[in-house]
Amino acid sequence: QKEVEQNSGPLSVPEGAIASLNCTYSDRVSQSFFWYRQYSGKSPELIMSIYSNGDKEDGRFTAQLNKASQYVSLLIRDSQPSDSATYLCAVNRDRGSTLGRLYFGRGTQLTVWP
Amino acid sequence: DGGITQSPKYLFRKEGQNVTLSCEQNLNHDAMYWYRQDPGQGLRLIYYSQIVNDFQKGDIAEGYSVSREKKESFPLTVTSAQKNPTAFYLCASRAGQTYNEQFFGPGTRLTVL
Repeated sequence: QKEVEQNSGPLSVPEGAIASLNCTYSDRVSQSFFWYRQYSGKSPELIMSIYSNGDKEDGRFTAQLNKASQYVSLLIRDSQPSDSATYLCAVNRDRGSTLGRLYFGRGTQLTVWP
Repeated sequence: DGGITQSPKYLFRKEGQNVTLSCEQNLNHDAMYWYRQDPGQGLRLIYYSQIVNDFQKGDIAEGYSVSREKKESFPLTVTSAQKNPTAFYLCASRAGQTYNEQFFGPGTRLTVL
């Protein structure tokens, strides 16, 4: 069983729509969750982190965490063509320690068409 | 400007050669990490270091080596023992022990000729 699973996509939405990206994880004790955006040929860029159940909003981005169901999602409101990228979900794998190692999903490719 | 730099951006290696990838950060971060990314794959952890002069193997350390002689620097050597080294190599650092947010450098794309 993979530690972090994401739909590989591609996910295609029109400009202005809400894009919904989902991620499930297998380790119930995971405490920290992250979303990275990666443009083609570039390195990942951290866009959201979430540590508690519920929603966290930052501009057009909302991260949602449900630890009981072991999923974390990312909503992008008012999607723009510049949001077209691969979105990586990452989960902390070291509860109770300071090692800070992350498991990464394979990413979901998002395309926003004008 | 604070950040993480990696060099070179592109690297070509012949069979049987060792090559060293540079990673430098001026963020005053203690922890540093090396990942490998293959097309369509998630990032896989090669090595990590929590403090100067200390480092641990990650999930795919075979064929790689690292050093951490300075807080700012965490170079990765890809040895000839690594059978499939062609990949995108990413270095990251972490701000502190309370949170696990990692920030990435621009990456080095290694190709074996």
